[in-house]
Amino acid sequence: IAGITQAPTSQILAAGRRMTLRCTQDMRHNAMYWYRQDLGLGLRLIHYSNTAGTTGKGEVPDGYSVSRANTDDFPLTLASAVPSQTSVYFCASSGGTGGNEQFFGPGTRLTVL
Amino acid sequence: GQNIDQPTEMTATEGAIVQINCTYQTSGFNGLFWYQQHAGEAPTFLSYNVLDGLEEKGRFSSFLSRSKGYSYLLLKELQMKDSASYLCAVRDSNYQLIWGAGTKLIIKP
Repeated sequence: IAGITQAPTSQILAAGRRMTLRCTQDMRHNAMYWYRQDLGLGLRLIHYSNTAGTTGKGEVPDGYSVSRANTDDFPLTLASAVPSQTSVYFCASSGGTGGNEQFFGPGTRLTVL
Repeated sequence: GQNIDQPTEMTATEGAIVQINCTYQTSGFNGLFWYQQHAGEAPTFLSYNVLDGLEEKGRFSSFLSRSKGYSYLLLKELQMKDSASYLCAVRDSNYQLIWGAGTKLIIKP
């Protein structure tokens, strides 16, 4: 693994289903983030984690949950998917809570029907 | 509220110079970032400004005026591969990034 990986690359999901998007980084970064990107809008922060064992809510957290059991992994779960959650989801990490630029994974394109 | 404004789309000619502006109103300021995003790909870091002035990095330069809440990204000697979206982001008082919607730059031969 080099950098940040995300899985799956894309997914079509029926409304009401549960879905977990996976994110793994091998840079030993403390901070990790989940964003969604929708056409015409900037990246919007869903949840973040400043260090393993802690998480926080971003701008658009409703309908999503995260966990940070270790430094490398930061999964995002949609408990019961709705069509408005159709989006491209990016995971990112940075070396500190405030200092450094964020490095992004390749993204997951999710369609909820 | 917090707001980042940048033009939706710009067009420029190969070999020319283009300036992409970004204005911001945020709760606190702890630095401004520019990212490049090619279609269908992840954003990649271009530049970071925390003090007023110009930061130059090869063909790309970024300028910041904190008193005016203003930044620009200057791209010189444009190449076709520079066709992409350019995202402006400000780190606020909570050390979270607030993102603009991005400027789609179209390069014509």
